[in-house]
Amino acid sequence: QLQLQESGPGLVKPSETLSLTCTVSGGSISSNNYYWGWIRQPPGKGLEWIGSIYYSGSTYYNPSLKSRVTISVDTSKNQFSLKLSSVTAADTAVYYCARRVVATGNHYFDYWGQGTLVTVSS
Amino acid sequence: QSALTQPASVSGSPGQSITISCTGTSSDVGNYNLVSWYQQHPGKAPKVMIYEGSKRPSGISNRFSGSKSGNTASLTISGLQAEDEADYYCCSYAGSSTVVFGGGTKLTVL
Repeated sequence: QLQLQESGPGLVKPSETLSLTCTVSGGSISSNNYYWGWIRQPPGKGLEWIGSIYYSGSTYYNPSLKSRVTISVDTSKNQFSLKLSSVTAADTAVYYCARRVVATGNHYFDYWGQGTLVTVSS
Repeated sequence: QSALTQPASVSGSPGQSITISCTGTSSDVGNYNLVSWYQQHPGKAPKVMIYEGSKRPSGISNRFSGSKSGNTASLTISGLQAEDEADYYCCSYAGSSTVVFGGGTKLTVL
C-alpha cells in the first residue's frame, strides 16, 4: 500500500522560507504514470494546488504562487520537497503531499499524505 | 487561474439525493473532461470519489456519480447516508499540466 508522509518545521517566521519533504513508501517515485505534488489548505478554507513534479524533474506550478515556489525530487531517497519563499501569515495552512495520476490523460490525486500544519508567525 | 465555483453548503435528509455543482470556464471544466471530486471529513486528508468526470475508483459506492454540461460539472449523491456528511471539492485540469480546485461545499445530512 502506497504511503506518503510529510515532514518539516511546523513554525516558520515571516519572510523566511518554508521547507517540507514528502517521503513515499510502498512504491517507487520513478514511475511514468504519476506526478507528485503539493496541495495546501488554510484553516477553515478550501484546497489550493501548489505544484507538481515528475520524477525526471519537470515541474508545474500554480501561476499565483510560481514566483515563490520550488519543488524538487530525490529519486534515490524516494522523496520530493517543497520550498516556499518569503512567507506571510497567509501561507499558514495544512500542507498535503499527494500522488497525481497522469496515465491515459487523467489528472487526479489518488493517494494523499496525512497533512502537516505549518504556521507562519514570529 | 481562478478557483472553480461551488455552493458553500448543501443539505439533504437520509435517503434523498443531492447535487453539488462546480462551475468553471472554457479554459478548464468546459475544455476538458477531467474533473475529479474529493470528499474530506474533518481533520482528514481528501479522498477521491470521482475522476475523469464520471468514473469511480475501486471501492467507491455507486451512490456517487458525476456529470458535466458546458462549463459546469456536477456531483450527485443518491441515497444519502449520515457518513456522507463532509466537505466536497471539485478539481479540474486547466491545461499545461496545471489543475484548479473549487472552493468546497459542506454537505449536511439532516
